[in-house]
Amino acid sequence: ELKVEQNPLFLSMQEGKNYTIYCNYSTTSDRLYWYRQDPGKSLESLFVLLSNGAVKQEGRLMASLDTKARLSTLHITAAVHDLSATYFCAVQQGAQKLVFGQGTRLTINP
Amino acid sequence: DVKVTQSSRYLVKRTGEKVFLECVQDMDHENMFWYRQDPGLGLRLIYFSYDVKMKEKGDIPEGYSVSREKKERFSLILESASTNQTSMYLCASSFAWGRKPQHFGDGTRLSIL
Repeated sequence: ELKVEQNPLFLSMQEGKNYTIYCNYSTTSDRLYWYRQDPGKSLESLFVLLSNGAVKQEGRLMASLDTKARLSTLHITAAVHDLSATYFCAVQQGAQKLVFGQGTRLTINP
Repeated sequence: DVKVTQSSRYLVKRTGEKVFLECVQDMDHENMFWYRQDPGLGLRLIYFSYDVKMKEKGDIPEGYSVSREKKERFSLILESASTNQTSMYLCASSFAWGRKPQHFGDGTRLSIL
């Protein structure tokens, strides 16, 4: 059974700082997704990582995938308040299904 | 832009009622999914469908059923609602091929009293 674990689950940080969210998963998969969810809103797709060593960047966010370690990271550079949200990783299981992590609630303080 | 529309944002029902949650997508996606989201548990898959009239159980199907009579519409049914089904319900859709992400609706916050 595929299990996906994120850490930390809660993260409070200052604007301008860097930090990393970790996503570990228990069985082999070659596809991992990162989503963002604002309070009261739906999930928005951020990144799709399709192979070992994949790295994607969008603004202050950078995601990477190490399939051998079964680990993905979401790195935040010089955080700004607008990045406050809950971030989910999701790992592909089989052809159709995603298994989600618990989510990391990120709060960025001025 | 992909649009996944859920029929209600908020819904209050009573224990024992039969509850219908509706979801419509406009991108001709083959796959459709129903999740529930609870604090600290992330999203858990209830059912999904990869074609009209086809369905597969997800991780927590007990107490739920689904219907997909048309490609664009996927319904979640709570046969006899119970208080432990109070939750946020999210519908999603995706293409069957091409390694594209799932697209989500805005969610239905369901309260069972």
